[in-house]
Amino acid sequence: NAGVTQTPKFQVLKTGQSMTLQCAQDMNHNSMYWYRQDPGMGLRLIYYSASEGTTDKGEVPNGYNVSRLNKREFSLRLESAAPSQTSVYFCASSRKDGEAFFGQGTRLTVV
Amino acid sequence: GQQVMQIPQYQHVQEGEDFTTYCNSSTTLSNIQWYKQRPGGHPVFLIQLVKSGEVKKQKRLTFQFGEAKKNSSLHITATQTTDVGTYFCLAGGTSYGKLTFGQGTILTVHP
Repeated sequence: NAGVTQTPKFQVLKTGQSMTLQCAQDMNHNSMYWYRQDPGMGLRLIYYSASEGTTDKGEVPNGYNVSRLNKREFSLRLESAAPSQTSVYFCASSRKDGEAFFGQGTRLTVV
Repeated sequence: GQQVMQIPQYQHVQEGEDFTTYCNSSTTLSNIQWYKQRPGGHPVFLIQLVKSGEVKKQKRLTFQFGEAKKNSSLHITATQTTDVGTYFCLAGGTSYGKLTFGQGTILTVHP
């Protein structure tokens, strides 16, 4: 039972490049989330998906897009990376009002 | 929208001292969860509180949910160096599928 799997673990991008962060969960959870965490900061919600086929903006959605590909997978795309998007990105999943399980995180640096 | 304030932002203690972090919401919560994040790691679930006035204990950790279900606290008795990390509250509100983190309290324990 892998839980929540995020790829890649590390990534360096040049300004303007695009990339997709992948996330998959094997716990049959309806809800999935993408957060970013800046040094010494809390976790800020980028986008979330309450169920397959739906996505909603969180606190800091600008510069990102998401796709809930199926119940298992929820991807985060940066179309044109900016240095301000340097951060650690966490994917999470949960049942409604249940415990959230987090992936190991993706450490992204935009130069 | 729902806001969750967590205080203090930082806490430095000597090993053996007690520690408390507080979360306060502007709206009534359906539940509140607490997570711990070790340095370089990902958030890990500690506990969930659901009932008004609920108190739960895990060894040296005591969790409380306020009578009005708008605030919560995490208290650690006699801290140890293994308690180092960031403690987050995660508020489950009335918006289905949307989980909002408090800003987190970074705990440093000096041996």
